[in-house]
Amino acid sequence: EVQLQQSGAELVRPGALVKLSCKASGFNIKDYYMHWVKQRPEQGLEWIGWIDPENGNTIYDPKFQGKASITADTSSNTAYLQLSSLTSEDTAVYYCARMITTQFDYWGQGTTLTVSS
Amino acid sequence: DIVMSQSPSSLAVSAGEKVTMSCKSSQSLLNSRTRKNYLAWYQQKPGQSPKLLIYWASTRESGVPDRFTGSGSGTDFTLTISSVQAEDLAVYYCKQSYNLLTFGAGTKLELK
Repeated sequence: EVQLQQSGAELVRPGALVKLSCKASGFNIKDYYMHWVKQRPEQGLEWIGWIDPENGNTIYDPKFQGKASITADTSSNTAYLQLSSLTSEDTAVYYCARMITTQFDYWGQGTTLTVSS
Repeated sequence: DIVMSQSPSSLAVSAGEKVTMSCKSSQSLLNSRTRKNYLAWYQQKPGQSPKLLIYWASTRESGVPDRFTGSGSGTDFTLTISSVQAEDLAVYYCKQSYNLLTFGAGTKLELK
């Protein structure tokens, strides 16, 4: 069974850095592009970027260049999203998702990130 | 950047009604080589992760009820629910993957 299990909720201080994880089971992440999506409270979905875990190549939405860094560890079948210089604007639920051809067929359950002093 | 515009932003309907919602892109999503439109629809129920409904504008994902139909090509797309059920209360997003990825702002479906 395909599953994407995301790490637990985070409460972090402004200016800090956080790394969220997305552990895949039921498939090999090397065979798919893995994506991250942001959703602020009561807002819509924003695409952050993707990684090709086979070679580590990444593509980001320009809005998230310098803010987000996506990595993957194929040995643990896990994708990561690191966010730096956190502000209240980064408070959101972050989802990982698997892309097949052009669509997201599986999503993680989401990780809630709260940035607050 | 490709901008995705969805309308209406919210819709109140009664169970059993037919619903139509629109998604327009700022440029064509039709890939001339594959002849496919790189447009997908997702459903997000309260407190849940989004779920894939339709891809390539009109291909229904496995397990999605056939009351959901996607149509359109180029820049204009439509999601139709032929007979709304209570469990269809959700926000519906379109997403383009022709050039990077962009989501529309969503259409919130509410029941009267």
